[in-house]
Amino acid sequence: NAGVTQTPKFQVLKTGQSMTLQCAQDMNHEYMSWYRQDPGMGLRLIHYSVGAGITDQGEVPNGYNVSRSTTEDFPLRLLSAAPSQTSVYFCASSPGQGHYEQYFGPGTRLTVT
Amino acid sequence: KNEVEQSPQNLTAQEGEFITINCSYSVGISALHWLQQHPGGGIVSLFMLSSGKKKHGRLIATINIQEKHSSLHITASHPRDSAVYICAVGAFSGSARQLTFGSGTQLTVLP
Repeated sequence: NAGVTQTPKFQVLKTGQSMTLQCAQDMNHEYMSWYRQDPGMGLRLIHYSVGAGITDQGEVPNGYNVSRSTTEDFPLRLLSAAPSQTSVYFCASSPGQGHYEQYFGPGTRLTVT
Repeated sequence: KNEVEQSPQNLTAQEGEFITINCSYSVGISALHWLQQHPGGGIVSLFMLSSGKKKHGRLIATINIQEKHSSLHITASHPRDSAVYICAVGAFSGSARQLTFGSGTQLTVLP
């Protein structure tokens, strides 16, 4: 199993550009989530999904969109990038049926200039 | 919203020392996670516990539900243990898989 994969690893955007961060998992996990990690702060939840076709907002959803058309994929879209979105982004998944262990992807380091 | 506090924020130890990292939270939880983030940035789950104590190799995690407190211990520390250790708690209400994270403890173990 590849686990949780994320692409790209690094990305530089100009203010106003849009892009999609890709996340995929091959463990048939129901729950997937996107976090951002900023210096001196804990990981913060952006959006999450409890299954295909179901998504919801986390703590810091503004400026981001998600969709979950399949169990495997959970892309994160930046609609119009802003310097405040410079961060490291992690995708994570966990099994359903009451299991809570989180499996994290390797992260995407995004810089918005 | 649960508040998660970790201490210390930074910890430097000599190889072989016994290390303790603490985590306190403000609201009752369904589970507590300890995560490790290496300098390369990847995050790995070390433990998930809701009561008592768990041990894996040189790592031990304990939780006291009444005191809303957990500790992560590392015995016989080694330079490869150098990493950021993150505590995260899962709430009873809503989706139990929504986690609140502490800001992490940077551990450096010197040879």
